[in-house]
Amino acid sequence: DAKTTQPTSMDCAEGRAANLPCNHSTISGNEYVYWYRQIHSQGPQYIIHGLKNNETNEMASLIITEDRKSSTLILPHATLRDTAVYYCIVRVPEWDMRFGAGTRLTVKP
Amino acid sequence: DAGVIQSPRHEVTEMGQEVTLRCKPISGHNSLFWYRQTMMRGLELLIYFNNNVPIDDSGMPEDRFSAKMPNASFSTLKIQPSEPRDSAVYFCASSLPAGAGTQYFGPGTRLLVL
Repeated sequence: DAKTTQPTSMDCAEGRAANLPCNHSTISGNEYVYWYRQIHSQGPQYIIHGLKNNETNEMASLIITEDRKSSTLILPHATLRDTAVYYCIVRVPEWDMRFGAGTRLTVKP
Repeated sequence: DAGVIQSPRHEVTEMGQEVTLRCKPISGHNSLFWYRQTMMRGLELLIYFNNNVPIDDSGMPEDRFSAKMPNASFSTLKIQPSEPRDSAVYFCASSLPAGAGTQYFGPGTRLLVL
């Protein structure tokens, strides 16, 4: 499995964009980049995933570098409710999804 | 859609007792996953079912843990006998057929074994 590296924690001002980086330098050609988040005491919540191209949905945007060795999750207008632990996961779209420690994002007023 | 449903939400029991956790996956999803989350070890995959059949249980800690999926809409995770070190939050997740990939998690069962 390709491993990911994320900063332990980040702060963001409310209303500003939150940019969460993830390094996955050993990613294989058929492995997707997934992002989940976990708000305190809740189950992990799917955010977005991608293979090569940048992706956008109602929650966030995912920017994947051309060499696919890193990616950035962008929350365009962070709110206090976006405070959570964000997990970057690299996997083939099968069952084996391994969560690391993630990035603890704190959105401040 | 109600999402993945887990019960109970909280369970407090004494060491040695049997514990049964329950999960109802999202209708139409045929893959089901049980995870355990602790502060020390984070989120760990315990077992994965596809079409009600256990595919990989290598994450199950030991023989005290067992999981079943008698039909497409119900699964159980049983711990017998329970031990204090089993205290954790247990999550169930479901997804469409393997290959689609996105897993949807339930709210979890917070287990405390005294």
